Amino acid sequence: DSGVTQTPKHLITATGQRVTLRCSPRSGDLSVYWYQQSLDQGLQFLIQYYNGEERAKGNILERFSAQQFPDLHSELNLSSLELGDSALYFCASSAGLDDSPLHFGNGTRLTVT
Amino acid sequence: GNSVTQMEGPVTLSEEAFLTINCTYTATGYPSLFWYVQYPGEGLQLLLKATKADDKGSNKGFEATYRKETTSFHLEKGSVQVSDSAVYFCALIPSNDYKLSFGAGTTVTVRA
Repeated sequence: DSGVTQTPKHLITATGQRVTLRCSPRSGDLSVYWYQQSLDQGLQFLIQYYNGEERAKGNILERFSAQQFPDLHSELNLSSLELGDSALYFCASSAGLDDSPLHFGNGTRLTVT
Repeated sequence: GNSVTQMEGPVTLSEEAFLTINCTYTATGYPSLFWYVQYPGEGLQLLLKATKADDKGSNKGFEATYRKETTSFHLEKGSVQVSDSAVYFCALIPSNDYKLSFGAGTTVTVRA
């Protein structure tokens, strides 16, 4: 058990809809990362937060947004969903802004129909 | 930019065979290098790491040596088991950044 909790485990929704994915980091970890994993794109870094502040941005679409709350949990919001957004979305956490290992949750599988 | 290139899979082996997964990187300075493993239905978990040249990371019978001269971090295991079937990701964190960059992943299947 990595200590990182993601909810929900599965999400099925229709095109054009909006969903929110939630992540609780490992106790004591200040950094939260979001990754998208799909068959054709592999594992893509989306965004990183550290102690509530955005620190790094990757290949995140404008339709997607995220935030980290004062209690350090994070939410990834996906809007105007398209079929191509179907993927596994992982949250990871680490202790801080260094080369500390990332601890991954088990992911949320999003299916857009 | 910073990037990781690892050998394409899938790789299929018999139990007790020798496994090598090649990984090379492009980065400025001295990145930290990692191997993560993803078992079916699970998130990624750290397998091993090395933070400076000639360091050897090891865990669960797997080893990888940080080779600055060849910019490589190849993963090896001398005798694989069925339970080693998973997707293996090579990754790096640059010395001047915090973002972990992953390779494309290599799917390994070990048959009894």
